[in-house]
Amino acid sequence: NAGVTQTPKFQVLKTGQSMTLQCAQDMNHEYMSWYRQDPGMGLRLIHYSVGAGITDQGEVPNGYNVSRSTTEDFPLRLLSAAPSQTSVYFCASSYPGSGSHTDTQYFGPGTRLTVL
Amino acid sequence: AQKITQTQPGMFVQEKEAVTLDCTYDTSDQSYGLFWYKQPSSGEMIFLIYQGSYDEQNATEGRYSLNFQKARKSANLVISASQLGDSAMYFCAMREGPLDDMRFGAGTRLTVKP
Repeated sequence: NAGVTQTPKFQVLKTGQSMTLQCAQDMNHEYMSWYRQDPGMGLRLIHYSVGAGITDQGEVPNGYNVSRSTTEDFPLRLLSAAPSQTSVYFCASSYPGSGSHTDTQYFGPGTRLTVL
Repeated sequence: AQKITQTQPGMFVQEKEAVTLDCTYDTSDQSYGLFWYKQPSSGEMIFLIYQGSYDEQNATEGRYSLNFQKARKSANLVISASQLGDSAMYFCAMREGPLDDMRFGAGTRLTVKP
């Protein structure tokens, strides 16, 4: 199993540009999520999904869109990039999908995004 | 809203000694889970250990143990026999009931000295 994969690893955008961060997992995990990590603030939840076709907002959803058309993939779209979105983005997934607190989340390697 | 507090921005420990990383949490739920993750300088998030709120025994995973004090709402990570490879950021996290998200503390940077 590849686990949770993310592409790209690094990205530089100009203000106003849009892009999609890709996330895929091959563990048949129902629950997937996106976090951003900023210095001194830990990880903050952007959006999450409890299964294909179901998404919901997390703590910091503004400026981001998500969709979940398959169990495996959970892309994150930046609609119009802003310097405040400069961050490291992590995708995570967990099993068996009940969302129980016992479900350990497994993380992808992260995407380092810089918005100029 | 749940809140996780890690009061130690940085910690130093001598190689082969034990170290405790503090974590306190705030929740009104009776059922919840507590997690610790390690983030080395390479950036990945590595799951270390889990403790359920109803677990009577403290969780252990190799050199990692979780000192769970429910009444005090604390879930401290204890690393025994520190190694140079333990130098990293450590995050405490909590997850409440079904369909709930995981909330993280700000992290503690641990440096192991030779």
